[in-house]
Amino acid sequence: EVQLVQSEAEVKEPGESLRISCKTSGYLFTDYWISWVRQMPGKGLEWLGRIDPDDSYINQRPSFQGHVTLSVDKSIDTAYLQWTSLKSSDSATYYCARHRSSSWIWFDSWGQGTQVIVSS
Amino acid sequence: DIQMTQSPSSLSASVGDRVTITCRTSEDVATYLYWYQQKSGKAPKVLIYGVSTLQSGVPSRFSGSGSGTDFTLTISSLQPEDFGTYYCQQSYRTPTFGQGTKVEV
Repeated sequence: EVQLVQSEAEVKEPGESLRISCKTSGYLFTDYWISWVRQMPGKGLEWLGRIDPDDSYINQRPSFQGHVTLSVDKSIDTAYLQWTSLKSSDSATYYCARHRSSSWIWFDSWGQGTQVIVSS
Repeated sequence: DIQMTQSPSSLSASVGDRVTITCRTSEDVATYLYWYQQKSGKAPKVLIYGVSTLQSGVPSRFSGSGSGTDFTLTISSLQPEDFGTYYCQQSYRTPTFGQGTKVEV
């Protein structure tokens, strides 16, 4: 069974750093891209970027470049999303999701979501 | 970015009704068009990929159609478990989603 299991909810203050994780199982990690999708409270879905676990090649939406970092650890089949300095506007639920193709980017399995609250 | 406009933003329907949700894109997305269902507090679930291909395990009452810039998700006979918010998404360019259509049963 394919599973993407994300880390627990986080409460942070502005300016703090954070790394959330997406642990995968049930398939060959390097066969699928991992994308991250943001959902702000009560709002829709927004794609942040994707990473190819095979070679760590990354595509990011320009508005997120320089603010979040995508990475993977192939030895433990896990993807990460990281901030060095959080803002209150980063408060949202973040989902990881996998997709097979570099152009047909549709998500057939999702993590359960990690809620991030940034507040002083 | 390609803009995605869904209509309606919300709808209320009865069990057994035929429901249609439309998605208009700001430019031609060929067949790079997908549909998801999201229930409150849960991750989205893919229903349709490539405009009209039903994802494995999705009930056949769901169907997708369209071309170019105009696409439709149809639920042929609405069931109580179909409540939730539906999103279209494209990947012809940088992936973007529609704003969602909330379906109340």
